Amino acid sequence: GENVEQHPSTLSVQEGDSAVIKCTYSDSASNYFPWYKQELGKRPQLIIDIRSNVGEKKDQRIAVTLNKTAKHFSLHITETQPEDSAVYFCAASRTGGTSYGKLTFGQGTILTVHP
Amino acid sequence: DTGVSQDPRHKITKRGQNVTFRCDPISEHNRLYWYRQTLGQGPEFLTYFQNEAQLEKSRLLSDRFSAERPKGSFSTLEIQRTEQGDSAMYLCASNRGEKLFFGSGTQLSVL
Repeated sequence: GENVEQHPSTLSVQEGDSAVIKCTYSDSASNYFPWYKQELGKRPQLIIDIRSNVGEKKDQRIAVTLNKTAKHFSLHITETQPEDSAVYFCAASRTGGTSYGKLTFGQGTILTVHP
Repeated sequence: DTGVSQDPRHKITKRGQNVTFRCDPISEHNRLYWYRQTLGQGPEFLTYFQNEAQLEKSRLLSDRFSAERPKGSFSTLEIQRTEQGDSAMYLCASNRGEKLFFGSGTQLSVL
């Protein structure tokens, strides 16, 4: 089955700095890669996703890059703000058939943005 | 709130008791998923429904666990003879396309 490794496990930055979280996956058939943000005691919220036919996707201060050959993808947050502080999870799945929504998650990164 | 809703939010039970959780997905979503999340880990897939059909179950789902989605709308997850190792957050999620939307979860504590 799929295995997703996520690094670092904790990340501390100053407000205004950039933050980068990296993930690798094992299943070359995986083609959908979402990122979730989870604040303490709250539901995981989808913040950005990318499909394997796209190398990069950006949404305001958040961007995701994908390298299919190396089987890794990264989340980039620019101009970080204290409200970005949360746990971030990467995930991977094969879409299509019965695999929709069967995500394999990384272990999570605790991001702390200091004012 | 038109998102995925779960009930109860918290459940404390004694070892050996049975518990049941409910999930109401987003109304137009035909797929529903159950995940389990323990502290410091990412969610782990348990099982998946398309409409009322349970199409896949993880090997994490022991015989003590059963899930239903009788009319293709809400779903229930029952754990029989709970064990301390069952303590976790049980998350429900739903989708129609690729994007998966989670509920706030049921936090289960088995004493």
